[in-house]
Amino acid sequence: DAGITQSPRHKVTETGTPVTLRCHQTENHRYMYWYRQDPGHGLRLIHYSYGVKDTDKGEVSDGYSVSRSKTEDFLLTLESATSSQTSVYFCAISARGGLATNEKLFFGSGTQLSVL
Amino acid sequence: AQTVTQSQPEMSVQEAETVTLSCTYDTSESDYYLFWYKQPPSRQMILVIRQEAYKQQNATENRFSVNFQKAAKSFSLKISDSQLGDAAMYFCAYRSLVGVNYGGATNKLIFGTGTLLAVQP
Repeated sequence: DAGITQSPRHKVTETGTPVTLRCHQTENHRYMYWYRQDPGHGLRLIHYSYGVKDTDKGEVSDGYSVSRSKTEDFLLTLESATSSQTSVYFCAISARGGLATNEKLFFGSGTQLSVL
Repeated sequence: AQTVTQSQPEMSVQEAETVTLSCTYDTSESDYYLFWYKQPPSRQMILVIRQEAYKQQNATENRFSVNFQKAAKSFSLKISDSQLGDAAMYFCAYRSLVGVNYGGATNKLIFGTGTLLAVQP
């Protein structure tokens, strides 16, 4: 299994409070991703990073920001949490964006976030 | 923009039988990858099988195989000899290869909404 740790595993918070989720990897992979999973929507990309301090938006980035100051850590911040951000958040990593047949996306175990 | 559609929210199969999960996608690109991921109750995302669009031969992995119809933009997953451990949510996913030749591509995936597979003993 790829070395990906998401923290916390579960979190309950109140509307309007800031929340930061952490993804930590020990694989030294270049690419890191944040997805959210909701019933009826599958997984949708929030933000991704292609290197230290290099990030870009995904399809559902509104209300979220990210930071990557070190290769191993990718933080997802909800500046002011809303009930619509209640979801399961997955971090994923990949070594590169090429065509290698062993190219894979490795997922963390997810963080269940409830915003009340 | 690409889209992935899974029209079967839930499916059920008897143990040892065969089941096929459907997936269709929309894209204007000619080269891409397609995937099936399995998500058991543990929430872990597990890669089941992958198909390169330029390959005509359908991918197989043990009891799992795909029926890739590029012209119809269809990518179904067949599970043979179903086992209780196959019970899970299954997601179809699309990966664009735009930019791959100059290092601009990533492993961003576009997922379908999932099919929940139940296996009856």
